[in-house]
Amino acid sequence: NAGVTQTPKFQVLKTGQSMTLQCAQDMNHNSMYWYRQDPGMGLRLIYYSASEGTTDKGEVPNGYNVSRLNKREFSLRLESAAPSQTSVYFCASSQTSGFSYEQYFGPGTRLTVT
Amino acid sequence: AQSVTQLDSHVSVSEGTPVLLRCNYSSSYSPSLFWYVQHPNKGLQLLLKYTSAATLVKGINGFEAEFKKSETSFHLTKPSAHMSDAAEYFCVVHSGGYNKLIFGAGTRLAVHP
Repeated sequence: NAGVTQTPKFQVLKTGQSMTLQCAQDMNHNSMYWYRQDPGMGLRLIYYSASEGTTDKGEVPNGYNVSRLNKREFSLRLESAAPSQTSVYFCASSQTSGFSYEQYFGPGTRLTVT
Repeated sequence: AQSVTQLDSHVSVSEGTPVLLRCNYSSSYSPSLFWYVQHPNKGLQLLLKYTSAATLVKGINGFEAEFKKSETSFHLTKPSAHMSDAAEYFCVVHSGGYNKLIFGAGTRLAVHP
């Protein structure tokens, strides 16, 4: 049981390049999330997917797109990277029934845009 | 709207002394609250959660937190710090939207020998 996995762990892009961050979970969770973490700002929600086939914008969606490929996988795409997108990106998942709402996080992808 | 404020960006303690990390929240209804820990270059791990059951919540690694509605606080404590507790700690409130969490800015805990 690997939990939430993310690839790649590190990436350096030049301004204008594109890339896709991959995320997969093996806990049979319905909901998945993408966050970015910047110093002194905690984590901010980029996009989330409440269930397979649905996606919604979070707090900071501009410059990103997502795809919920199936129940296990949720990818984040940067179409034209900008230096402001230099950050650490975390994927998370949660079960949506019950009151716990706890989310389980992957190890993160450290992205630098030059 | 829900929000969370962590009152200290950095806390430094000596090994074996108590730890107090402060968190205040704002919520228009009875919230679900969490503390997560992030060790250097790692993902986030759930320490403990409050979901309107007992107001004193015990978590992993000897941490606990007390929900105080009158003070809108959810401070994290540990009686005796260990070197391995050095990490960043996030206080988190459930937003009330679709299972969305609102994160505080984080408190970096340093533990000195």
